[in-house]
Amino acid sequence: KAGVTQTPRYLIKTRGQQVTLSCSPISGHRSVSWYQQTPGQGLQFLFEYFSETQRNKGNFPGRFSGRQFSNSRSEMNVSTLELGDSALYLCASRRTGGGEQFFGPGTRLTVL
Amino acid sequence: GQQLNQSPQSMFIQEGEDVSMNCTSSSIFNTWLWYKQDPGEGPVLLIALYKAGELTSNGRLTAQFGITRKDSFLNISASIPSDVGIYFCAGGPNTGTASKLTFGTGTRLQVTL
Repeated sequence: KAGVTQTPRYLIKTRGQQVTLSCSPISGHRSVSWYQQTPGQGLQFLFEYFSETQRNKGNFPGRFSGRQFSNSRSEMNVSTLELGDSALYLCASRRTGGGEQFFGPGTRLTVL
Repeated sequence: GQQLNQSPQSMFIQEGEDVSMNCTSSSIFNTWLWYKQDPGEGPVLLIALYKAGELTSNGRLTAQFGITRKDSFLNISASIPSDVGIYFCAGGPNTGTASKLTFGTGTRLQVTL
């Protein structure tokens, strides 16, 4: 069974631009969560989607948004990029009713 | 954002030695997970715990869900070079309804031959 995939793996943007990251969960998993990882703040929860609906949200500004499609694939968007948005963005999927989250390899975003 | 207290922050051990690390929280969790992360990669799930007091093993790894539901421990026996990496604990809510995980600050493990 294929794992969680994320594209692209690396991205370089400049301040003020926007970016869209993509995540394909493990087949059969309907819950997708996004996390931001930085050296200073560690791993922080962004939001969770289940059946195309946002079910939970972390403490991030409205510039961070996401969506989920009917095939459970998810996208995350960051608008008006700031230098502090440079991070590894991780996506994790979970089967319905399960407690284990499986992570993808992440997208390394660098904002210049 | 909130992070769980994880200790030690880093460890330098010799191959063959046993390793212990722990994670504490001021909040109660209903799920405890342990992950290992290699540089440039996503965290890989090692062990999942669902009941207070539960002790679970996965090969050379053993983890326990603290009886107070506010802590968890991970032990690695007879360490080998491929154990090098950063280990994270994560506390989670009830399994059925939500996915939000709160992560620990990480333990960096270095193994010398």
